Amino acid sequence: QVQLKESGPGLVQPSQTLSLTCTVSGFSLTSYDVHWVRQPPGKGLEWMGGIWGDGSTAYNSALKSRLSISRDTSKSQVFLKMNSLQTEDTAIYFCTRETTEGIHYFDYWGQGVMVTVSS
Amino acid sequence: DVVLTQTPPTLLATIGQSVSISCRSSQSLLHSNGNTYLNWLLQRTGQSPQPLIYLVSKLESGVPNRFSGSGSGTDFTLKISGVEAEDLGVYYCMQFTHYPPLTFGSGTKLEIK
Repeated sequence: QVQLKESGPGLVQPSQTLSLTCTVSGFSLTSYDVHWVRQPPGKGLEWMGGIWGDGSTAYNSALKSRLSISRDTSKSQVFLKMNSLQTEDTAIYFCTRETTEGIHYFDYWGQGVMVTVSS
Repeated sequence: DVVLTQTPPTLLATIGQSVSISCRSSQSLLHSNGNTYLNWLLQRTGQSPQPLIYLVSKLESGVPNRFSGSGSGTDFTLKISGVEAEDLGVYYCMQFTHYPPLTFGSGTKLEIK
């Protein structure tokens, strides 16, 4: 059974660094790409970046200077780190799995974790 | 970056009514490999997005066949033939052809009268 679950602090102070973990089960991180997508309250979806099965990464250029995505395959975990947080980074953060076979869509999503940036 | 423009932003429908949502892209979404990576998702209130349609018109497993997708190039449509109460939520199109970054439309909120 495929599952993804995000975890991390619910509150982060401005200018601090956000660290989130996506723990997956039911599939191998070496066989599937995992992405991070965020959603500010009441707004739409924004792709942040992803990590490929081979470990390479891609980022949204708007966030690239602040964002890092990595993983620990032995623990089936994908990590997101973003520094210099501002209030506009307040959002629900989702991790999601991309299908294989070059079809390119997100077939499973985590429940999301709400992150509030506030002092 | 590819911009996806969805219309209408809000859709008010009665049960049983057929509705359509448009997604227009700022660039052709036809990939050099011949595929068009245009997908549709539904996000119900308080839930994560869920996949509906991929590659323009292919239904995700378990999605009712009242949902259909069509289009090519820059113009795409999601149609619901006979809206049911469980269909309410926000519908997003997204493209995977020109990435990074992959991009989402701004969403269409379906409300039931």
